[in-house]
Amino acid sequence: KNEVEQSPQNLTAQEGEFITINCSYSVGISALHWLQQHPGGGIVSLFMLSSGKKKHGRLIATINIQEKHSSLHITASHPRDSAVYICAPKKSSGDKLTFGTGTRLAVRP
Amino acid sequence: DAGVTQSPTHLIKTRGQQVTLRCSPKSGHDTVSWYQQALGQGPQFIFQYYEEEERQRGNFPDRFSGHQFPNYSSELNVNALLLGDSALYLCASSYRVTEAFFGQGTRLTVV
Repeated sequence: KNEVEQSPQNLTAQEGEFITINCSYSVGISALHWLQQHPGGGIVSLFMLSSGKKKHGRLIATINIQEKHSSLHITASHPRDSAVYICAPKKSSGDKLTFGTGTRLAVRP
Repeated sequence: DAGVTQSPTHLIKTRGQQVTLRCSPKSGHDTVSWYQQALGQGPQFIFQYYEEEERQRGNFPDRFSGHQFPNYSSELNVNALLLGDSALYLCASSYRVTEAFFGQGTRLTVV
C-alpha cells in the first residue's frame, strides 16, 4: 500500500463546479504540501499546512492530523485550473517530501 | 526574486554519458532537494543538501551524486546514463521547515 493515496485519480468538471480532491497518508508528518503541476512540468506549491485550514483565492486546503487526511477544494472552477494536483506530506522523521500519485483535473468551459 | 531556477531546461544525452544539472535556490533558502519524475509518475526523492552536505538520500544508485556550494546553489550529477534515467528532474528549495518552492525542472532525454 502506498504511503500517500489520492482520490480521485482523474476528475472532469464543468466550469463553475466545486471540486474536492482527497489525500490520505499512513505516516507521521510534520506538514503537508498541496502542489499544482501543469503540462510541461513546473510545480507550484499551493499550500503548506500542518493543521486546520488555509485559503488562497478560490483554493481551500484542510488537514486533519488525527485522521491523517487532507482535502483540497476549488470553488468556482475555471478551465485554467486544469492541471495535476499532488499531495506531498513531509514526514516527521526528516525533511523530504513523499508524493501522492496526483489527481488529473480537467475543467471544461 | 527569481524563485528557484534550474538549468538547462532541456537536455539530450547519449547512453553512457555523464550529465550535470544545476539549481539556484530561492533567495534566503539554504536547503535544496532533488527529485526525479518519470513520465506519468509522481516525483521521487533523490537527495537533499544542507550546509553543503548530503543530509538525506532516497533509493537511487551511486551514479547519482550531488553538490551544494557556499552560495547554496546545487548540482545534480548522473554518471553512466541509462535510458531509464530519462525524466524531469526537479529541484526544490526551502529554509529550515518552511514551504518548499520548486523550479521548472530540467527535462533529460537519454537516447
